[in-house]
Parts: sequence; structure tokens; C-alpha cells
Amino acid sequence: RKEVEQDPGPFNVPEGATVAFNCTYSNSASQSFFWYRQDCRKEPKLLMSVYSSGNEDGRFTAQLNRASQYISLLIRDSKLSDSATYLCVVNPDGGSGTSYGKLTFGQGTILTVHP
Amino acid sequence: EPEVTQTPSHQVTQMGQEVILRCVPISNHLYFYWYRQILGQKVEFLVSFYNNEISEKSEIFDDQFSVERPDGSNFTLKIRSTKLEDSAMYFCAIQRDYEQYFGPGTRLTVT
Repeated sequence: RKEVEQDPGPFNVPEGATVAFNCTYSNSASQSFFWYRQDCRKEPKLLMSVYSSGNEDGRFTAQLNRASQYISLLIRDSKLSDSATYLCVVNPDGGSGTSYGKLTFGQGTILTVHP
Repeated sequence: EPEVTQTPSHQVTQMGQEVILRCVPISNHLYFYWYRQILGQKVEFLVSFYNNEISEKSEIFDDQFSVERPDGSNFTLKIRSTKLEDSAMYFCAIQRDYEQYFGPGTRLTVT
């Protein structure tokens, strides 16, 4: 099983649509979870951290289900500028031992928002 | 304003040559990371650096790789003898409040 697994897509949605991305991770001891976005040939940019209680930032909502080892990202009212690759990222160790800060990335889910 | 800048933006080198990639944080940070991304593949962890020492390295980070912070500011990744398979984007990252912020990357092309 891959450490972090995502549906690669691509997702093609019209402007204004709601789209959801899912991600699973294999290490049940993982403590920190993130969503990054990456534009073509650019660096990953932090979109949001994912907390156990779930969190929302404007049109973006992230959820974490530790029991199922599942993370999700919901984008409401999609904009053309949301077109990017969305990366599910996990810190396998989450701050203890020697793995502090080491991030494990999923393959990414490609989103294209069209007019 | 970006947290970190990287130079060069693009480096072309011949197989067997040494390259040095540089990362310049905007402000003082304790934790630094290098990641790489081969075209079309996922981002992979290379090494983490804390308090001027390597704290963890991946299997990719073999003897041909080294990191240092020569002047207390710049953070460098050296590849001693480049191979074709080293062609990739190399990203430096800094940590702030348990979150990592990436530099714009250096595209390394080995011919």
C-alpha cells in the first residue's frame, strides 16, 4: 500500500461547481496532515493544514478521519484560478523522534476548472 | 514575499559534474529541508537539517549528496557526481509553526 494515495483525476469541472478530493494514508501513527496546491512546474504551496476537528478556510474545507486514515478536501464555488494539482501531504511521524518535519506526498489530483 | 529563494532557477550540467544548489531563507529558521520532484512524479523528501546538522535523510540521499550551511545563512545541496537520473526540480523548504514553506525550486538538467 502506498504511504499516501490519491485519485490522480483529472477532475474537469465548470466554474461554480463543488469538487471533493480524497486521500488515504498508511501510517496510523501520522500526526500532521496538509493540503498543498501545485501549479505546473512551480513549487508546492500550502493550502491548509488539516485538523482532527476539520477546518474551513473560505471556499475550502478539509476533513480528517483518523479511524479510516482518510483525508478530504472540498472546494466550493470553483474558480478558474483553482485549476492546479492538489497534493495530499502527511508527516508520518508528526513531531516526535527523528522524523520531525519529513513530509510524505501523494501523487496529486489534477483539477481543471473551465468556464 | 516568499519565505525562501533558491538559486539558480535552472542549472544544466553534464553527467559526472558537481553542482551546488542554494537556498536563501528570508529570515532566521532552524529547520531546513530539501525535496526533489522528477518530472511527472511526486515530491520526495531528501534530507532535513536542524541546528546545523542532518537530522534525517532518505534512501535517495546517498554519498553523492551533501548539505551544509556555510555562512549561517545560505543552505546548500551539493551533488558530487551528477547522473542522468538526478534531473529533477529541487525544492528547499523552511519550517514555521509546524508548517513547511517551499522555495521556487531549481530545475536541474543533467545531460
